[in-house]
Amino acid sequence: QQQVKQSPQSLIVQKGGISIINCAYENTAFDYFPWYQQFPGKGPALLIAIRPDVSEKKEGRFTISFNKSAKQFSLHIMDSQPGDSATYFCAALALNSGGSNYKLTFGKGTLLTVNP
Amino acid sequence: DAGVIQSPRHEVTEMGQEVTLRCKPISGHNSLFWYRQTMMRGLELLIYFNNNVPIDDSGMPEDRFSAKMPNASFSTLKIQPSEPRDSAVYFCASSLTANLRWAFFGQGTRLTVV
Repeated sequence: QQQVKQSPQSLIVQKGGISIINCAYENTAFDYFPWYQQFPGKGPALLIAIRPDVSEKKEGRFTISFNKSAKQFSLHIMDSQPGDSATYFCAALALNSGGSNYKLTFGKGTLLTVNP
Repeated sequence: DAGVIQSPRHEVTEMGQEVTLRCKPISGHNSLFWYRQTMMRGLELLIYFNNNVPIDDSGMPEDRFSAKMPNASFSTLKIQPSEPRDSAVYFCASSLTANLRWAFFGQGTRLTVV
């Protein structure tokens, strides 16, 4: 059962445009929502993250919007650049059933292409 | 800091052969995670070690998969015998604590089983 649903699968944006990637989750126990950026041939790298007690977090051109009641969160990339072309993963973190560990659940990823 | 180091970067093997993937976590990190990435299933957690002890191996797909962490600076993921459906990119990640908020990923091993 996929616990974090991510859309779209792929996205093409012109340079300077806004890229928007959406995620939805089901498990209300999730308490941390990171986004990862992955370039070809590289491992995922933490980009930005948000906690559910905050509705928005901004770091440079990257913003996470969080809607707790709808159980949705999204990544906005302002003034998108060709160098932003990568695969983006949303994720969610919660204590496992044992209560002593964290288990990260990933969305399936969005391939972003920013055309020059 | 060299980051999480995985070897080999690429592995091509024949079905039925044993495959061993290696990981060196960041020095000082006490949690280590093995992930598998495929187009169909995305990133899946296979197993998680804390202080060299396997804590959660519920993601290991079947008995053909095994993982060890003999010391704080080395871990292996072994597949025996390998099958074509095991073809994927395998990532190792490490973090300072069990808190995945600060996990760092290696560059991955691309495994192809023919």
